[in-house]
Amino acid sequence: EIVLTQSPGTLSLSPGERATLSCRASQSVSSNYLAWYQQKPGQAPRLLIYGASSRATGIPDRFSGSGSGTDFTLTISRLEPEDFAVYYCQDYGNSPLYTFGQGTKLEIK
Amino acid sequence: EVQLLESGGDLVLPGGSLRLSCAASGFTFSNYAMYWVRQTPGKGLEWVSAITTSGGGTYYADSVKGRFTISRDNSKNTLFLQMNSLRAEDTALYYCARRFCSGGTCSSIPFDYWGQGTLVTVSS
Repeated sequence: EIVLTQSPGTLSLSPGERATLSCRASQSVSSNYLAWYQQKPGQAPRLLIYGASSRATGIPDRFSGSGSGTDFTLTISRLEPEDFAVYYCQDYGNSPLYTFGQGTKLEIK
Repeated sequence: EVQLLESGGDLVLPGGSLRLSCAASGFTFSNYAMYWVRQTPGKGLEWVSAITTSGGGTYYADSVKGRFTISRDNSKNTLFLQMNSLRAEDTALYYCARRFCSGGTCSSIPFDYWGQGTLVTVSS
């Protein structure tokens, strides 16, 4: 079973700054089937990125994903107030097992 | 509009049982594999179970294997999770989610829609 480790645990930044979130897998993610989700308090997770680098429908282009193999990154180019939330990565290349990382909290500095 | 609406969450004693439902609307339910994902209060996400489009294939996380049973009724556009022998550590918000699959192949897009969740509390 793949283990996903996200870093940092908490990231404190200001609106307008650039955010870089990391997700490292214990073994290679098959087909680069790595997704990123955003979750705000009291809401269900929302799909942001799939296939490591493809934006989901309706996701602003300030969100981008990159990486392959075992190292993946979610970048938010210029933070908007609504971007402060918890972000999770997910391996879905090992279907039907779907592993999530432990999350990174992006908070306002 | 795509909607997934979970129900059935409740307070239950350890060792008890509960049946969760997820009513789907706004899409062709039988074209989607369905999933249960749970989130413990203040903590992260854990995949619990999956079921193929026809219901012929079911899968479970080790933490629930042998205690939980996933099923679906495509005629009623509804997903179920039968939870038996419940433990305190099963306390969580349970979400259902979908993934498009056709002809035995699933889309490269994972969980594109989620419900709002139903809360299960296991406590004496």
